[in-house]
Amino acid sequence: DTGVSQNPRHKITKRGQNVTFRCDPISEHNRLYWYRQTLGQGPEFLTYFQNEAQLEKSRLLSDRFSAERPKGSFSTLEIQRTEQGDSAMYLCASSSRSGGAHEQFFGPGTRLTVL
Amino acid sequence: AQSVTQLDSQVPVFEEAPVELRCNYSSSVSVYLFWYVQYPNQGLQLLLKYLSGSTLVKGINGFEAEFNKSQTSFHLRKPSVHISDTAEYFCALYNQGGKLIFGQGTELSVKP
Repeated sequence: DTGVSQNPRHKITKRGQNVTFRCDPISEHNRLYWYRQTLGQGPEFLTYFQNEAQLEKSRLLSDRFSAERPKGSFSTLEIQRTEQGDSAMYLCASSSRSGGAHEQFFGPGTRLTVL
Repeated sequence: AQSVTQLDSQVPVFEEAPVELRCNYSSSVSVYLFWYVQYPNQGLQLLLKYLSGSTLVKGINGFEAEFNKSQTSFHLRKPSVHISDTAEYFCALYNQGGKLIFGQGTELSVKP
C-alpha cells in the first residue's frame, strides 16, 4: 500500500491555460475526494466520488472545473481557462467502505500557481 | 450549518513546554471530530479522531484531545512538545453527507 499519490506535485501555468491533475487513491478505496487549500486556510471540499459516481459538488466548483473517475480507480481534476484565483494546493483523499467514509487518507497535493 | 473554528492562528511555544490548540465546532447533529497535522509541502496526516465513547482520545506522537459536548470543543494537547512538532494543525468535523469541514488551521512553532 503506497498511499494516495498525486501528479504533478507542482504546476505553474499562465492565466487562461487549461490544467489537469491526477489522483491515484489507495487501492480498493471506493471513495475519492478533492479539496482545495489556499494559503493560510484549511482545506475546502470540492467534490467526491463513490466508485465512478460523482455524488456531490461544492459551489466552489465553478463551470470551469470538472472532475472524473471513469473506472472507479484514479481521478482527474481539470481546470479550464485558469485564473489567478485558482492558485492553491489541490488535495486528494480516499476512504474505504470497511474503514468508514469519515477516515480519509490524504495525498501530498498538487500546488498550482497561475501567473 | 456546520462549522469549525480554531481560536488561535499561531501558537509559539518553547521546546518541552505543554501546548493546547483550541477548536470549537458548530453542529445541530452529532459529529465525528478529527485533528490533522500538515508539515510544509505535504498532505494531511491524521493525528487522532473522536467518533463516540470516551471523551479523551489519544493519538500519534503523544497528542491527545478532549471532546466536550456542552462547550462544543475539541482541544488538542501535548504535555511536552518537540522541535519536530512544528507544523500546521487542522481541526475538522465529518459531515454525514461525506465531506470533512476544516478549521482555518493553527501554526504551531516550537522554539529551542
